Formats: sequence, structure tokens, C-alpha cells
Amino acid sequence: KAGVTQTPRYLIKTRGQQVTLSCSPISGHRSVSWYQQTPGQGLQFLFEYFSETQRNKGNFPGRFSGRQFSNSRSEMNVSTLELGDSALYLCASSLGGFGTSLMDTQYFGPGTRLTVL
Amino acid sequence: GENVEQHPSTLSVQEGDSAVIKCTYSDSASNYFPWYKQELGKRPQLIIDIRSNVGEKKDQRIAVTLNKTAKHFSLHITETQPEDSAVYFCAASMGGGADGLTFGKGTHLIIQP
Repeated sequence: KAGVTQTPRYLIKTRGQQVTLSCSPISGHRSVSWYQQTPGQGLQFLFEYFSETQRNKGNFPGRFSGRQFSNSRSEMNVSTLELGDSALYLCASSLGGFGTSLMDTQYFGPGTRLTVL
Repeated sequence: GENVEQHPSTLSVQEGDSAVIKCTYSDSASNYFPWYKQELGKRPQLIIDIRSNVGEKKDQRIAVTLNKTAKHFSLHITETQPEDSAVYFCAASMGGGADGLTFGKGTHLIIQP
């Protein structure tokens, strides 16, 4: 089974621009979570989608948004980029499902390295 | 919200010795605790996980223990090898996938030859 894939792998943007990142989960996985990884803050949860619905959101400004499509692929968007948005953005997929602990295991993609100049 | 503390931030051990990394969590509602290994420039990879109805789990040289009362869990690696060198992250969640994983800050494990 193919793993989680993310595109693009690297991005360079300037302040004020916007960016869209894409994530394709493992086949059959319906839950996609997004995380930001920086040296200072570590791994931080951005949001999670299941069946095209955002179920939870971390403590990030509204400039960070996402969506999920009917095939479970997900995109995240960051508008009005700031220097502090430079990070590795990771998505993770899991089987998902409400109240089913067996569905918890999350598998990470390789990440998109975003540099904001 | 949940808060996960991880110690130590750096751990250096001799090859063949054991390594122990400890984490504490704050939210008693958390019931799923995975450990990830991340090598430089690579994605985090799940190495072992435990759910709150289990006190200990082993997989070859790796084991995780959970103390729900004290709200802490630990990763034990025995007979360490050079390929164990990496950053290890603990995490906690309420399970069900909706609340996201709350990660510790990571432990840089260095295996000395």
C-alpha cells in the first residue's frame, strides 16, 4: 500500500503571499490531520478532517485553513504569509472513525518544507 | 488543553546499553499514547503505541509503559544500536482521531559507538 504523499516537497514564498499544500492519505484512510513542525515549537496540531468535515482545530490564526475532498485528499492553505510561517508542514492519515480507538494510529507524510522570505 | 512534557531533551548512551525517555501528560481524558522516531530530514515514523487500558507493551527491543494514575509514560529501548540514533517524540490524544496529537518537544538520542 502506498504511504501518505505530500506535494510539493519544497516551497519558497515571500511575505504576504498565500500557499496551498496537498496531502494524499493512505488508501482507505478517511482522517487527515495537519501539523506544523518548527525547531522552536516542535510539532503542533493544526486541524483534522474526516469525511470532508473539520472536526477540530489547533491554536493557529484564521490564516490557516484546510479542506478535504470526497476522495479523502486534503489541502491546507496559508494566506498572507509571515516569516514565522516558515516550517515543515506534515500531514498524517488514519482510518479515523468516531469513538473507535483502533482507528487512532496516524501515519505521516514526508512533509512540505515552506520557506517564507 | 493537553500538555505533554518530555525528558530528557538529549540522551547519549553507549551502544548496547539501554535508553529510557519519559513523558508526562496533563489531561486525564487522554487515552492514546504513541511514540514516533524521526531521523534527520525524514518523516516521523510510529515505533510503538499504547492505549490506556494497557499498562505495558513490548515490540522486540522497544517497550512502552503507562502509569495512568501518575499520568506518565515511558519508552524503553534495550541493546541500543547506531541506527537507533534519532529524535524521539511522545504524544497523547483522547483517541478517535478528532482531537489531534499533542507532542512532547522531543528527545535527541545519540548512540555512542
